[in-house]
Amino acid sequence: EDQVTQSPEALRLQEGESSSLNCSYTVSGLRGLFWYRQDPGKGPEFLFTLYSAGEEKEKERLKATLTKKESFLHITAPKPEDSATYLCAVHPQGGSEKLVFGKGTKLTVNP
Amino acid sequence: DTEVTQTPKHLVMGMTNKKSLKCEQHMGHRAMYWYKQKAKKPPELMFVYSYEKLSINESVPSRFSPECPNSSLLNLHLHALQPEDSALYLCASSPLQGRYYGYTFGSGTRLTVV
Repeated sequence: EDQVTQSPEALRLQEGESSSLNCSYTVSGLRGLFWYRQDPGKGPEFLFTLYSAGEEKEKERLKATLTKKESFLHITAPKPEDSATYLCAVHPQGGSEKLVFGKGTKLTVNP
Repeated sequence: DTEVTQTPKHLVMGMTNKKSLKCEQHMGHRAMYWYKQKAKKPPELMFVYSYEKLSINESVPSRFSPECPNSSLLNLHLHALQPEDSALYLCASSPLQGRYYGYTFGSGTRLTVV
């Protein structure tokens, strides 16, 4: 069964304190892995798509990396506005358009 | 236009009411989705339309009825809902073709059933 596990469930950082969020996945084949940011009461905001092991993508203070079993979302020198829930989702191979979501990591950045 | 637009943003309805949620995208995406999200949980897939045809129905109760009038529009018709159906309903779209793709979500409709 396809599974996505995110850790930690919640993370508190001080402004400027860099850290990483983890997304471990088990799928028979990977079409793509997505990272989203979600603010309370809003829809998920697309951040990155990763397709193959070794791939990296960056956007401002965020950098996403991918291995064969997990992905990391690195946050460098975070600011309070980076506080949100970060969702990881995988799109397994097989023709279905169904994403498998992790439960998310709630990030709080204190000033 | 790189947005998925959902209306209304908020909806309060009684258990005997009939209402509809609407979703629109003009990115040329050929797959559209309805997700349900409860507080502090990830989105749960309800329906998928591919090329305007229903391709996935995740055993959703019949009180939820999806409709895809054309490639840009997606509706979710609601009837005789229960209080436990209160949630954030999200619409999303994706291009289906091409290697580099992403799912774009709307901002959601916050539904409260009283």
